[in-house]
Amino acid sequence: AQSVTQLDSHVSVSEGTPVLLRCNYSSSYSPSLFWYVQHPNKGLQLLLKYTSAATLVKGINGFEAEFKKSETSFHLTKPSAHMSDAAEYFCVVSDRNGYNKLIFGAGTRLAVHP
Amino acid sequence: DTAVSQTPKYLVTQMGNDKSIKCEQNLGHDTMYWYKQDSKKFLKIMFSYNNKELIINETVPNRFSPKSPDKAHLNLHINSLELGDSAVYFCASSQDRGGTNYGYTFGSGTRLTVV
Repeated sequence: AQSVTQLDSHVSVSEGTPVLLRCNYSSSYSPSLFWYVQHPNKGLQLLLKYTSAATLVKGINGFEAEFKKSETSFHLTKPSAHMSDAAEYFCVVSDRNGYNKLIFGAGTRLAVHP
Repeated sequence: DTAVSQTPKYLVTQMGNDKSIKCEQNLGHDTMYWYKQDSKKFLKIMFSYNNKELIINETVPNRFSPKSPDKAHLNLHINSLELGDSAVYFCASSQDRGGTNYGYTFGSGTRLTVV
């Protein structure tokens, strides 16, 4: 079965420092992978997606992620954190078994300190 | 112009009541979903409809009944509400079946509190 594991439930960084949110996936075929962001009391917004094209994917707000098949990872990075990046981030894998759907990781809460 | 809109945004109700949540999308997508987000932020799929046809029905109590009058609308009716139903319910839609190529577009959520 397809699954995602977000390795950190909480990450805390200082404003202006790099962000790394880690995600490992499990899939029996070449997956589609996504990162979503949820700001407090808001809906979920798509940050970026990987669907078997370039392995380095650029998203909105300066975020990017690299698909590494050998490591089954899809980590999310940003060179310099901004206060407005404080939110919950979800790594997501596609499930093509039976009826298609997206499977969400447990989320990583990113805190950004001045 | 909101792409996926849910109403109401907040819903506080007593145990045993029946309530509905409405969802509409103006993106022209064929597939719509209901997800439940618990207090720990975990998101789990409940239902999926493709062009008014139910295609995913996860292990959800029978008290939950989705209805899709047309492909732009997916409503969720909940009978005999229980304390454990308190959560945030998200509606979503996708351009492709299952969202595997383009992902989902989410509504802003409905926070249901059962007292």
